[in-house]
Amino acid sequence: GESVGLHLPTLSVQEGDNSIINCAYSNSASDYFIWYKQESGKGPQFIIDIRSNMDKRQGQRVTVLLNKTVKHLSLQIAATQPGDSAVYFCAEPYAYTGTASKLTFGTGTRLQVTL
Amino acid sequence: GAGVSQTPSNKVTEKGKYVELRCDPISGHTALYWYRQSLGQGPEFLIYFQGTGAADDSGLPNDRFFAVRPEGSVSTLKIQRTERGDSAVYLCASSFSGTGDTEAFFGQGTRLTVV
Repeated sequence: GESVGLHLPTLSVQEGDNSIINCAYSNSASDYFIWYKQESGKGPQFIIDIRSNMDKRQGQRVTVLLNKTVKHLSLQIAATQPGDSAVYFCAEPYAYTGTASKLTFGTGTRLQVTL
Repeated sequence: GAGVSQTPSNKVTEKGKYVELRCDPISGHTALYWYRQSLGQGPEFLIYFQGTGAADDSGLPNDRFFAVRPEGSVSTLKIQRTERGDSAVYLCASSFSGTGDTEAFFGQGTRLTVV
């Protein structure tokens, strides 16, 4: 699969503030992206996904924005809480495999929530 | 079960030894995936099962790695002649069908340390 990477390795945010985690991708044909949250000692947990025919998708306290022109997506977390502290990955399926769960992951961004 | 279960949680082995890592997927999930996650990196795909058969083993790094899923449920990842570079967290994930955009659920991983 094509590379999926992140801009910032660590992000420190005060509790209650909004967090923005960025991700760049290189394959312009990519049409599906997923954000995962991984807490220490646990496996990745699905947060939200977005298809390339959308620019924005909202969940509970989370929003994903997709800018296909610059091949960039972001995860916004509103009113960040201590429980949001984790490593966040963007991921995309390998192309033409018939399954959305054979994934290529970026390196990850560690979100640290300070009180 | 309620989630994907992996055993053991931690495994320390000596260089050159053989190890087996077990994954018990969510009941009814036909697709099962193994990933490897090195420290500070995102998970890397190893192998994907659809039912009992390995649909895609393109991520296995070499012939020391092998995985089976004889009854289409529990899977075992086997590593022969372990090397220090095999030290990582091995993650298992399962999804309902493996086709389309079905969500993959990850286990907590097995941390393998080769000394």
